[in-house]
Amino acid sequence: SYVLTQPPSVSLAPGETAIIPCGGDGLGDKGVHWYQKKPGLAPVLVVYYNNDRPSGIPERISGSKSRNTATLTISRVEAGDEADYYCQVWDPVSNRVVFGGGTKLTVL
Amino acid sequence: QVHLVESGGGVVQPGRSLRLSCTASGLTFSSFAMQWVRQPPGKGLEWVAVISYDGRRKFYGDGVKGRFTVSRDNSENTMYLEMNNLRPADTAEYYCARDPAAGRDGVFYGMDVWGQGTTVTVSS
Repeated sequence: SYVLTQPPSVSLAPGETAIIPCGGDGLGDKGVHWYQKKPGLAPVLVVYYNNDRPSGIPERISGSKSRNTATLTISRVEAGDEADYYCQVWDPVSNRVVFGGGTKLTVL
Repeated sequence: QVHLVESGGGVVQPGRSLRLSCTASGLTFSSFAMQWVRQPPGKGLEWVAVISYDGRRKFYGDGVKGRFTVSRDNSENTMYLEMNNLRPADTAEYYCARDPAAGRDGVFYGMDVWGQGTTVTVSS
């Protein structure tokens, strides 16, 4: 089955730039979407189709993709960005939604 | 504004059944595929099921295939998840979400709007 790989955690100080990778074979052929999940709240879509932002998502949050790795970048991180971030694709071969394992962003 | 509300969660014994509902407002419900996603306590997001706009195409995650059934009633703007033979491992917060795709030809996307979730606890 298709697998997306994320680092379990990323820690940095306020004002720094968070870079969260998401790797998968043949990822270049798929649209990658990113979600922010805070405890007790529903997930929020923050990037769709690799690099588009839904309305209301700040420009500090951006996505990119190169070959087999998608990247979520959060510039000038704030305490409010502390959350788990998940990448996701639709795999048409297995007809499955696939989530990465999630990356916990900690703002020190 | 699109609004999704889940209901039907609760505490149930192993082996029993439960039906979740997801009622939508603020959208043309019959135009969109719909998804179920869950999050077990302390774990990551896990995909459960997707249903196309017309209910003809349904796909399931490996952990629930054969036990869970997704359906929808477009006249009632509601999607359902029938969960049978529940296990303790099914304990989770269950979310419904809109897929911006319709699911025609089996092409899906992900989730752009989420409900607030409903809690399912499977325990004796």
